[in-house]
Amino acid sequence: AQRVTQPEKLLSVFKGAPVELKCNYSYSGSPELFWYVQYSRQRLQLLLRHISRESIKGFTADLNKGETSFHLKKPFAQEEDSAMYYCALMSGGSNYKLTFGKGTLLTVNP
Amino acid sequence: EPEVTQTPSHQVTQMGQEVILRCVPISNHLYFYWYRQILGQKVEFLVSFYNNEISEKSEIFDDQFSVERPDGSNFTLKIRSTKLEDSAMYFCASSRTDAPLHFGNGTRLTVT
Repeated sequence: AQRVTQPEKLLSVFKGAPVELKCNYSYSGSPELFWYVQYSRQRLQLLLRHISRESIKGFTADLNKGETSFHLKKPFAQEEDSAMYYCALMSGGSNYKLTFGKGTLLTVNP
Repeated sequence: EPEVTQTPSHQVTQMGQEVILRCVPISNHLYFYWYRQILGQKVEFLVSFYNNEISEKSEIFDDQFSVERPDGSNFTLKIRSTKLEDSAMYFCASSRTDAPLHFGNGTRLTVT
């Protein structure tokens, strides 16, 4: 069975500081990993997808299969990055179901 | 950009009553999902729907739950006899094939 672990429920940093939101996964197959973001009172939005290898809003995430991790990083946090961040894993097959972690609430202080 | 829309945004119901949560997925999407998030907990998968049938459901999705795509545009989640523990945020999502899933704004269900 697949599992996604986000060990930090809350993360608080100052504006301009680097930020890293941790995500570890457990899955026997070849996973596809995502980061979703939920700003206050808004819908879940896709932030990053590991196969795209993009940088969105300054965020990057690298899939490390050896460590089964997909940590989200940004070198200089901005106040508008304050949001709930969810790591998610898509299992194989034809279903495309996402398994979410519990989420990390990031607060960027001025 | 097209969006998944959900109605109502907030539904209050009494225990034992039936509720129907409505979703309009993005028009060219083929896969539809319901997720829920109990306050303070993680987003949990309920059910996926493809080609007019359920393709997968979780343990949470028991006999009191059902889904329907009645008219080719709406995708509904019915809870037959609500319980207090059904209080949660319910998210609808859709996708073309694989990700990304596009989520709606959610319906907050409060069972009293």
